[in-house]
Amino acid sequence: GENVEQHPSTLSVQEGDSAVIKCTYSDSASNYFPWYKQELGKRPQLIIDIRSNVGEKKDQRIAVTLNKTAKHFSLHITETQPEDSAVYFCAASRRGGADGLTFGKGTHLIIQP
Amino acid sequence: EAQVTQNPRYLITVTGKKLTVTCSQNMNHEYMSWYRQDPGLGLRQIYYSMNVEVTDKGDVPEGYKVSRKEKRNFPLILESPSPNQTSLYFCASSFLSNRAYEQYFGPGTRLTVT
Repeated sequence: GENVEQHPSTLSVQEGDSAVIKCTYSDSASNYFPWYKQELGKRPQLIIDIRSNVGEKKDQRIAVTLNKTAKHFSLHITETQPEDSAVYFCAASRRGGADGLTFGKGTHLIIQP
Repeated sequence: EAQVTQNPRYLITVTGKKLTVTCSQNMNHEYMSWYRQDPGLGLRQIYYSMNVEVTDKGDVPEGYKVSRKEKRNFPLILESPSPNQTSLYFCASSFLSNRAYEQYFGPGTRLTVT
């Protein structure tokens, strides 16, 4: 089955700086790569996703890049703010998410004031 | 209001006592999944369902059962809970959006098995 590796497990950045979280996947048939944000005590919420026919997608301060050849994808957050502090999960699916997702183990992002 | 609900939200039980965690969605989604979340392990899929009466195992199905008799409900059953099933459980339903199935999560159920 699919295996998703996520790094780093903890990331501390100064407010206003950029943060990058990286994931690799094992199944070359995977075609859907979402990113979820989970605040303490809350449910995961989708923040951005990308499909395998696209190399990059951007939504305001958040962007995701995908390298199909290398089987890795990354989340980029620019101009970080205190409210960006949370745990971020990457995930992958070979059926566009229809049969659920395989998640990475998460990155705890800490924004230092 | 479109939502996924789970009950109970918190449960403390003893080893071997059968329990059911309910999940219901009011969005007419065909696809539903159960995940468990453990510290340092992320979310792992337990079971999923792609339609009524159609269910399949995820990555960690041992010790769990599910059923999908109606489109809106997808209960998770622990026939004989054990302490290693102490976890935070999330139900999710998904819908087709921009050619992908976005997962929408319920609020979670924190289960403790003593």
